[in-house]
Amino acid sequence: GESVGLHLPTLSVQEGDNSIINCAYSNSASDYFIWYKQESGKGPQFIIDIRSNMDKRQGQRVTVLLNKTVKHLSLQIAATQPGDSAVYFCAERAYNFNKFYFGSGTKLNVKP
Amino acid sequence: NAGVMQNPRHLVRRRGQEARLRCSPMKGHSHVYWYRQLPEEGLKFMVYLQKENIIDESGMPKERFSAEFPKEGPSILRIQQVVRGDSAAYFCASSPTQREDTQYFGPGTRLTVL
Repeated sequence: GESVGLHLPTLSVQEGDNSIINCAYSNSASDYFIWYKQESGKGPQFIIDIRSNMDKRQGQRVTVLLNKTVKHLSLQIAATQPGDSAVYFCAERAYNFNKFYFGSGTKLNVKP
Repeated sequence: NAGVMQNPRHLVRRRGQEARLRCSPMKGHSHVYWYRQLPEEGLKFMVYLQKENIIDESGMPKERFSAEFPKEGPSILRIQQVVRGDSAAYFCASSPTQREDTQYFGPGTRLTVL
């Protein structure tokens, strides 16, 4: 399944399928990006990050892709599990600034 | 290594009262950030502090809100004369240095104003 980020805030996938969550960022000067996972009632949890000099970065079951031309970021989760159910936020940071700007999030529902 | 700690986890105040939210950063971290999150929304930056200094408070309302990070003790976000619109989750994050990119978040304080 694929989410179009801010325009489709909820993504439902079957357990075992791959998930793709998209995010459009606004500032071409942003040089660092993080994907956070937030479970209900908890704080954001770091998943994976990527710098603007990279196009792709892989972690355990997760991959982040960065397309600077169209200012687009995506998070791919392989073999989605029920424990992946949460809200996922992308966060961008502009060079020389210390604060992150968060998207509004995409809720991922994993059906067993 | 303990993570970022926040207390209280839940805080209920009546309109006009004061709310004090505390944040203890991760061990070795001297940079603290406060964010606010309304239901079904992303986090909004409020303020960035180092020990005894406010570095960036561009996201903090000019009135009623203040923050500090003293030499000893936790960082405090203080909201005076709370109104219903202040009801939100307030998250604190910390990082070890100014240029350390990743910010690690605490569990948040959920403020409810009656």
